[in-house]
Amino acid sequence: AQTVTQSQPEMSVQEAETVTLSCTYDTSESNYYLFWYKQPPSRQMILVIRQEAYKQQNATENRFSVNFQKAAKSFSLKISDSQLGDTAMYFCAFMKWGPGNQFYFGTGTSLTVIP
Amino acid sequence: NAGVTQTPKFQVLKTGQSMTLQCAQDMNHEYMSWYRQDPGMGLRLIHYSVGAGITDQGEVPNGYNVSRSTTEDFPLRLLSAAPSQTSVYFCASSYSTSGTGNEQFFGPGTRLTVL
Repeated sequence: AQTVTQSQPEMSVQEAETVTLSCTYDTSESNYYLFWYKQPPSRQMILVIRQEAYKQQNATENRFSVNFQKAAKSFSLKISDSQLGDTAMYFCAFMKWGPGNQFYFGTGTSLTVIP
Repeated sequence: NAGVTQTPKFQVLKTGQSMTLQCAQDMNHEYMSWYRQDPGMGLRLIHYSVGAGITDQGEVPNGYNVSRSTTEDFPLRLLSAAPSQTSVYFCASSYSTSGTGNEQFFGPGTRLTVL
């Protein structure tokens, strides 16, 4: 089984500042996908960003970007210009490439943006 | 599109009772799955389905049954509820599990309490 580790249970950041959330994973696979999901207080799970392991270029989505280090099995999320609406639980997730494969989630990081 | 819908939103059961959590999606997604979310443990996969008539166990399947008679619906049955099944349950779906379209869309969740 794959494992996903998020070593920061809680983090905080000042509004408009930048924050980085860490995620490491353990796998012997060479082809896989990595995701960051956001869960605000409403409880709805929302996809933030996705990275294919075969792509060397780091994915970006507006203020969200990742630092994907395949050799180190690291997948951190950087949030720039933090906004109050970014306050949420953030989950890192791993999925092997191929049909019928399972998602594996980390335990989450609770991020609070301070006004 | 309504996306992924779940009913009920909240439920209280007594130990030993049975019930079914409903999940439906209108996006013609082949892959559907059920997770439970417990504090400090992230999301853990209970059961999943890669298409109508095909289901398989995830990480924590004991005490739960599923079936997939149509592409749209994927109900989760608790056979004899136990306090250890107190949790928030999420249903998710995706178009595929490989390549484009493998990001999962989540329902709003069901908060279940077993007394």
